[in-house]
Amino acid sequence: QSALTQPPSASGSAGQSVTISCTGTRRDVGAYNYVSWYRQHPGKAPKLMIYEVSKRPSGVPDRFSGSKSGNTASLTVSGLQAEDEADYYCSSFAGSNTLYVFGTGTKVTVL
Amino acid sequence: QVQLQESGPGLVKPSQTLSLTCMVSGGSISSGSYSWNWIRQPAGKGLQWIGRIYTSGTTNYNSSLKSRVTLSLDTSKNQFSLRLSSVTAADTAVYYCARVNGNENCFDPWGQGTLVTVSS
Repeated sequence: QSALTQPPSASGSAGQSVTISCTGTRRDVGAYNYVSWYRQHPGKAPKLMIYEVSKRPSGVPDRFSGSKSGNTASLTVSGLQAEDEADYYCSSFAGSNTLYVFGTGTKVTVL
Repeated sequence: QVQLQESGPGLVKPSQTLSLTCMVSGGSISSGSYSWNWIRQPAGKGLQWIGRIYTSGTTNYNSSLKSRVTLSLDTSKNQFSLRLSSVTAADTAVYYCARVNGNENCFDPWGQGTLVTVSS
């Protein structure tokens, strides 16, 4: 099971929006609505930001939104803030053998 | 609020076995439809799922690590453990434990992570 593909980097000015893609296959992202997104600050553990493609856990601001089309999922962060500067990883349930796959990660910079 | 905390040796010699424990606090490891997972992250690299265990004892492993990984769980101590045998420098990473809700298939919460270095 190969890692999901994310762009290495993305950036946006404070207050603007940034969208990160996560491309998998018909055996993972395309097969299940179990895509989740995690934000990771340096030296810290990842934090769940989106689950089941577009649902937000309690406490996550509505600036974070998710979507999926075919084998590609996306995370949009609106109204970028300094605290949003971090690495972002997607993950998908893959259903067999290696049950969960992660994305390659995207470093988001707030200009 | 459930919290997870990894513990174990920070240095392991090549060819030996890496052993880590994840202590669960703030809730019972036996409650709910959860699986208990291990994930690792080499320095500067991405995340890799290692495996999961249910309180029933059922396990699933990453196919690339399956021959070297063993997960176990101790309900009396509210903790679960990872053993990775025949380690090499490629196994050097920060190891995280995390809970997965089977209905949502997402990792939440996570432990803070523990760095394991494989070196002689």
